[in-house]
Amino acid sequence: GAVVSQHPSWVICKSGTSVKIECRSLDFQATTMFWYRQFPKQSLMLMATSNEGSKATYEQGVEKDKFLINHASLTLSTLTVTSAHPEDSSFYICSAGLAVSTDTQYFGPGTRLTVL
Amino acid sequence: QKEVEQDPGPLSVPEGAIVSLNCTYSNSAFQYFMWYRQYSRKGPELLMYTYSSGNKEDGRFTAQVDKSSKYISLFIRDSQPSDSATYLCAMDGTASKLTFGTGTRLQVTL
Repeated sequence: GAVVSQHPSWVICKSGTSVKIECRSLDFQATTMFWYRQFPKQSLMLMATSNEGSKATYEQGVEKDKFLINHASLTLSTLTVTSAHPEDSSFYICSAGLAVSTDTQYFGPGTRLTVL
Repeated sequence: QKEVEQDPGPLSVPEGAIVSLNCTYSNSAFQYFMWYRQYSRKGPELLMYTYSSGNKEDGRFTAQVDKSSKYISLFIRDSQPSDSATYLCAMDGTASKLTFGTGTRLQVTL
């Protein structure tokens, strides 16, 4: 099956610093990638949808200047949390799709971010 | 009111039991219904995918969708300790955006 990787799997950073998370589709080309965040004991919340070569579409309430998304190639999307604060601590999960079709979304293993 | 409601559990059952997991929803535009399994500190893994109403069976797993009641279920037969995980329901209308339930934590005991 399709494999999606994320790097790093966990990161601890100081408040005010920026953190970049990578999402890669390893054995297929992903036209669309999705970024979610998940707080403990809560559901996955979609943050943004990105298509290769174009600007990401952010969900209501998600600050696009704080969560920078780049989808420069068909196998790589990055999420940068800028000027991170403790309230940004969460589990960030990406998914990749062959097309804009939810039955072909493959999820990465997630990145746990802790901001001190 | 949340668009998708799911009992967070935890649900504890003995090995071999039949497990019933459920979600209700309010958005009548949802047409695609999915169940994901998520182990601790891992990404979700797609278990079942159903379009519109009806049943779908895959091995020990059966998914049911009742659109008239806005109610979906996942049944696990002959549950195993390896089934212990959080089960998330997810739904989609035509926007290709998944809306997830909070997940039900299942523990299958020996």
